[in-house]
Amino acid sequence: GQQLNQSPQSMFIQEGEDVSMNCTSSSIFNTWLWYKQDPGEGPVLLIALYKAGELTSNGRLTAQFGITRKDSFLNISASIPSDVGIYFCAGSSTSGTYKYIFGTGTRLKVLA
Amino acid sequence: KAGVTQTPRYLIKTRGQQVTLSCSPISGHRSVSWYQQTPGQGLQFLFEYFSETQRNKGNFPGRFSGRQFSNSRSEMNVSTLELGDSALYLCASSLVAGQETQYFGPGTRLLVL
Repeated sequence: GQQLNQSPQSMFIQEGEDVSMNCTSSSIFNTWLWYKQDPGEGPVLLIALYKAGELTSNGRLTAQFGITRKDSFLNISASIPSDVGIYFCAGSSTSGTYKYIFGTGTRLKVLA
Repeated sequence: KAGVTQTPRYLIKTRGQQVTLSCSPISGHRSVSWYQQTPGQGLQFLFEYFSETQRNKGNFPGRFSGRQFSNSRSEMNVSTLELGDSALYLCASSLVAGQETQYFGPGTRLLVL
């Protein structure tokens, strides 16, 4: 199936550190979403981006819609243990079938 | 406002059987999408329903089908189950189809033996 390239695949960080992850696509998107998923649960929407260049924050999380419309970035500042989980990006375009394509996920582990 | 609910949460079936999963979207949401999540393939889009009509369909065989009722609740059915159908099946709802953000339910974990 189709997936977006997301990096890094996984990362261990110390509590209090900042975290960055990104998602790239070969296609242009006009919506980017970022989700967090805990084990055995469904993804929870963190941030939605609708415009190229847009920078949106949600608490300690900040995400950006790349100006090329082919990438997006998520930053987590001052990480805490509950940030542990898998982070997914998802992109959608008006061409084709409107379906969302998801990234491969970034597994985050925070060391207290 | 209640979130997306999915039933059952866990299911064990054997090869060749069929299964029906249910999803109730957030109140007022009229679009429901279904996804299959596996460790190897990640999150893959199955289909999307809006106003009781299938709007989009992913690249899955015809054994996977769905429907949506007038109250926006949706069901998906998998016939002639195969071992590879073992996965977390996620439902997501949005106000309307298309570009709106989606909110996921907790999923139904299906194990095929």
